Amino acid sequence: GEEVAQTPKHLVRGEGQKAKLYCAPIKGHSYVFWYQQVLKNEFKFLISFQNENVFDETGMPKERFSAKCLPNSPCSLEIQATKLEDSAVYFCASSPGTVNSPLHFGNGTRLTVT
Amino acid sequence: DQQVKQNSPSLSVQEGRISILNCDYTNSMFDYFLWYKKYPAEGPTFLISISSIKDKNEDGRFTVFLNKSAKHLSLHIVPSQPGDSAVYFCAAYSGAGSYQLTFGKGTKLSVIP
Repeated sequence: GEEVAQTPKHLVRGEGQKAKLYCAPIKGHSYVFWYQQVLKNEFKFLISFQNENVFDETGMPKERFSAKCLPNSPCSLEIQATKLEDSAVYFCASSPGTVNSPLHFGNGTRLTVT
Repeated sequence: DQQVKQNSPSLSVQEGRISILNCDYTNSMFDYFLWYKKYPAEGPTFLISISSIKDKNEDGRFTVFLNKSAKHLSLHIVPSQPGDSAVYFCAAYSGAGSYQLTFGKGTKLSVIP
């Protein structure tokens, strides 16, 4: 598609429950990125993929967070045993991967952990 | 430590006037800068960019200026329109093929009709 599609728009989970977020990148874009935006508007980089391979995971919390981009499937970000501090908007972005190409963002998934 | 700083959380400007949004950075490895615009409940959308080898880039009403020695860039919008009201994020690439964008905290621009 021509847009980055993120589902669901909103997700509410009780503390300790699992959360799974999905992202379909723009067709033809080989790079996918996940960012977390917390209350103060700061975007925190989590992880990036080049096709189905992890490209950069330096921002990914070591515990509880995992992500995948499998062929012919939306990419996913999964949080095991959610905590209150995981409440944020999670943005997915894609790019064709050429040097300095802008990232194209989806509209985000708002995760609320209660 | 924040590597991209937008020190003004908000800015109000009269319609038709110039809006100037500022951004400072600390990382000398940054070599490409982008501005994104974000409306509530939407993702950021790319607005304009500038390479570190240039000092100005213009696209319609939007101009970005880069002062590399001062590690400072600014986005000028002229004339400002009510539809420009949004949060503007400054972002930077550090090159070296990382593809990781580092963002500032954003400036909320309100254009008053």
